[in-house]
Amino acid sequence: TQTVSQSDAHVTVFEGDSVELRCNYSYGGSIYLSWYIQHHGRGLQFLLKYYSGNPVVQGVNGFKAEFSKSDSSFHLRKASVHWSDSAVYFCAVSGSNNRIFFGDGTQLVVKP
Amino acid sequence: DMKVTQMPRYLIKRMGENVLLECGQDMSHETMYWYRQDPGLGLQLIYISYDVDSNSEGDIPKGYRVSRKKREHFSLILDSAKTNQTSVYFCASRGDSSQNTLYFGAGTRLSVL
Repeated sequence: TQTVSQSDAHVTVFEGDSVELRCNYSYGGSIYLSWYIQHHGRGLQFLLKYYSGNPVVQGVNGFKAEFSKSDSSFHLRKASVHWSDSAVYFCAVSGSNNRIFFGDGTQLVVKP
Repeated sequence: DMKVTQMPRYLIKRMGENVLLECGQDMSHETMYWYRQDPGLGLQLIYISYDVDSNSEGDIPKGYRVSRKKREHFSLILDSAKTNQTSVYFCASRGDSSQNTLYFGAGTRLSVL
């Protein structure tokens, strides 16, 4: 059984702060891990993914994520957030089949 | 420009009416998906299509059916819509297996009264 857990439903920070959005997964076998962003009223947009190699992957707009096999985690981080980063962030896991499982999302609010 | 287009964006139907949600993609992707999104429930997979006339149930297929007669077009059909099918529906297509990236449409907000 594949599961994706995003422990924080809401995260609030101030502009310029750093942020970490947490993702833990449960999956047997080789996996792809991804993060997506959803602005209000829009569809999801791909941010970044990990499959193998360097466990730290860089995405767009200064986002990066780090894979940890020992912790079964793929946390998303940004060093200095901007108000436009306010959105819902989804972690996703997929395997060799075409099934992709999403977490419940973390709402990030960036205050000015 | 890679694009997934959903029509209509907003739809209001009465209980018992039939509903057709349409999705198109211009990337010749083989695999396409229909999800619904409800507050607090994240994205729930309704159906997957692996190519023309090759469809598979997702996690919540009951009350829905799909049609894929052309690779670029994937439809979601609700026969006799129910009020609990009020939701936002997203279509997505998947890049090739080496990319494993989903491209989402903007969604259709369906209200069943």
